[in-house]
Amino acid sequence: SAVISQKPSRDICQRGTSLTIQCQVDSQVTMMFWYRQQPGQSLTLIATANQGSEATYESGFVIDKFPISRPNLTFSTLTVSNMSPEDSSIYLCSVVGTAYEQYFGPGTRLTVT
Amino acid sequence: DQQVKQNSPSLSVQEGRISILNCDYTNSMFDYFLWYKKYPAEGPTFLISISSIKDKNEDGRFTVFLNKSAKHLSLHIVPSQPGDSAVYFCAASGTTSGTYKYIFGTGTRLKVLA
Repeated sequence: SAVISQKPSRDICQRGTSLTIQCQVDSQVTMMFWYRQQPGQSLTLIATANQGSEATYESGFVIDKFPISRPNLTFSTLTVSNMSPEDSSIYLCSVVGTAYEQYFGPGTRLTVT
Repeated sequence: DQQVKQNSPSLSVQEGRISILNCDYTNSMFDYFLWYKKYPAEGPTFLISISSIKDKNEDGRFTVFLNKSAKHLSLHIVPSQPGDSAVYFCAASGTTSGTYKYIFGTGTRLKVLA
């Protein structure tokens, strides 16, 4: 299994500002994912961040709004840019284990006012 | 287009009885199916998975069944315990547009009554 930490655990931000979320893994992993879970909804994949390549974004998500960095095999950041109240959500990073299972961080609860 | 669906938003079961959570999918290219449990204010926790080449996988109180012809999988928890009360997500994984990804269902909130 993998142990994943995220910072910050929660934040309240003003409209128009940006927040960078950090994800740290206790082991080296190739595949890392960023998800969003809006209130009462499922986990929606934002992008796949593999080390050594550009992040691959899902339909409805763009790099200008959600830039991602993946500088090494244990760390990634997701920035939520020019925030609006619609960006209020839980943001989760995850990695894939040896048997295709995913391990998730505890999440970052973002509230945009 | 919801590729993975959990049609029951909630389920209540008496302690000691069986809990059955259901999940349907539409894409026959998925090669792994997984179940996660999520408590409030925590990230999802992996429970059990099944490869598309199998029809059953068991781990303690948890068993997952896969019916490929019906594109349906289910999670059985027996006996159910109050600590099992959580939201359960099913997920399907496979390669889409050259990228390996996981698609999650909408979740079923299980409440186990003592």
